Amino acid sequence: DSGVTQTPKHLITATGQRVTLRCSPRSGDLSVYWYQQSLDQGLQFLIQYYNGEERAKGNILERFSAQQFPDLHSELNLSSLELGDSALYFCASSVGVEFPDTEAFFGQGTRLTVV
Amino acid sequence: LAKTTQPISMDSYEGQEVNITCSHNNIATNDYITWYQQFPSQGPRFIIQGYKTKVTNEVASLFIPADRKSSTLSLPRVSLSDTAVYYCLVQNTGFQKLVFGTGTRLLVSP
Repeated sequence: DSGVTQTPKHLITATGQRVTLRCSPRSGDLSVYWYQQSLDQGLQFLIQYYNGEERAKGNILERFSAQQFPDLHSELNLSSLELGDSALYFCASSVGVEFPDTEAFFGQGTRLTVV
Repeated sequence: LAKTTQPISMDSYEGQEVNITCSHNNIATNDYITWYQQFPSQGPRFIIQGYKTKVTNEVASLFIPADRKSSTLSLPRVSLSDTAVYYCLVQNTGFQKLVFGTGTRLLVSP
């Protein structure tokens, strides 16, 4: 158990809908990362937050947004869902942003299926 | 960020030593090399990290030559449970951005 909690574990929804994925980082970790992993695809970095502020953006679509709340949990919002958005979405957390104090711990992921 | 190149896949048998090499020709002075392991349908897990020479922990060893343009992850006496995807990452000492490449898919057979 990495200490990072993601909910829900599974989500099935229809095209055009909107969903919210939740991530609770390890206790004490200030940085949260979101990744998308499609079937047979690598891990695509989406976005990173540190202590409530956005620090880096990757290949995140405009239909997707995220935020980190004062209690440090984070939510990833996916809207106008398309079939191609079906994937495993991982959240990771680390203590800080400054390397090397940045070993990232990953959650078990949320499997999103868009039908 | 320095680009990394790894073999797409490797096959091994139980009990053998496996060496996975990663090329990172454009590595910068402040960059570290980190390896993660990912099992199917699970999040990646940190294995080992190093800057130069050799690093060893209870799971693996990491060999980094003097020019640091490549690194080799060594898994001693692999078992079936070591079947996974192994990612090599280059991380900067400043702001961390975890960018994963395609990784190496290791298959360990009986």
